[in-house]
Amino acid sequence: NAGVTQTPKFQVLKTGQSMTLQCAQDMNHEYMSWYRQDPGMGLRLIHYSVGAGITDQGEVPNGYNVSRSTTEDFPLRLLSAAPSQTSVYFCASSPWTGVSTDTQYFGPGTRLTVL
Amino acid sequence: RKEVEQDPGPFNVPEGATVAFNCTYSNSASQSFFWYRQDCRKEPKLLMSVYSSGNEDGRFTAQLNRASQYISLLIRDSKLSDSATYLCAVYTSGTYKYIFGTGTRLKVLA
Repeated sequence: NAGVTQTPKFQVLKTGQSMTLQCAQDMNHEYMSWYRQDPGMGLRLIHYSVGAGITDQGEVPNGYNVSRSTTEDFPLRLLSAAPSQTSVYFCASSPWTGVSTDTQYFGPGTRLTVL
Repeated sequence: RKEVEQDPGPFNVPEGATVAFNCTYSNSASQSFFWYRQDCRKEPKLLMSVYSSGNEDGRFTAQLNRASQYISLLIRDSKLSDSATYLCAVYTSGTYKYIFGTGTRLKVLA
């Protein structure tokens, strides 16, 4: 049982490049989410999903796309990287009944630098 | 106004001290509340969920005040190993979102 895994751990991009941050969980959790964490800003929600085929925007969705084709995977795509997207990205998952939810379990994070 | 607000600190306290953090939330429909601990450059990890009746886990006590819309975390007999950032999180079922505060830094001094 690996929990929530994220790849890569570190990434450096040039402005305008695209890339996908991978996130997978093996706990059969319905709820998955992506956050970015910047100094002094806490964790800000980018996108979330309540099940395969269902995604929605969080607080800071601009510049990011997501899809959820399986319960296990929730990749985050940066279409055209900008220096403002330099951050630490965390993926998380949680059991979810449709009404209430339990705590989230976080992956180890991806440290992204955009030059 | 942010949905979830915390005093960023830092709180510098001596070993053995008692320290309390508060976290206010703006959405009265929020239904689930959590405290997480985050060590430097690591992922957040659940410290405790916060229940309406209050709950305790060893030296840690969490309280929820729905009328005033805040949650609190009390740490008794602080240890050096308690030094970390403490994040509160609020889940609102109608929005399906977990929203985090900015975190409060705690440094316990020898």
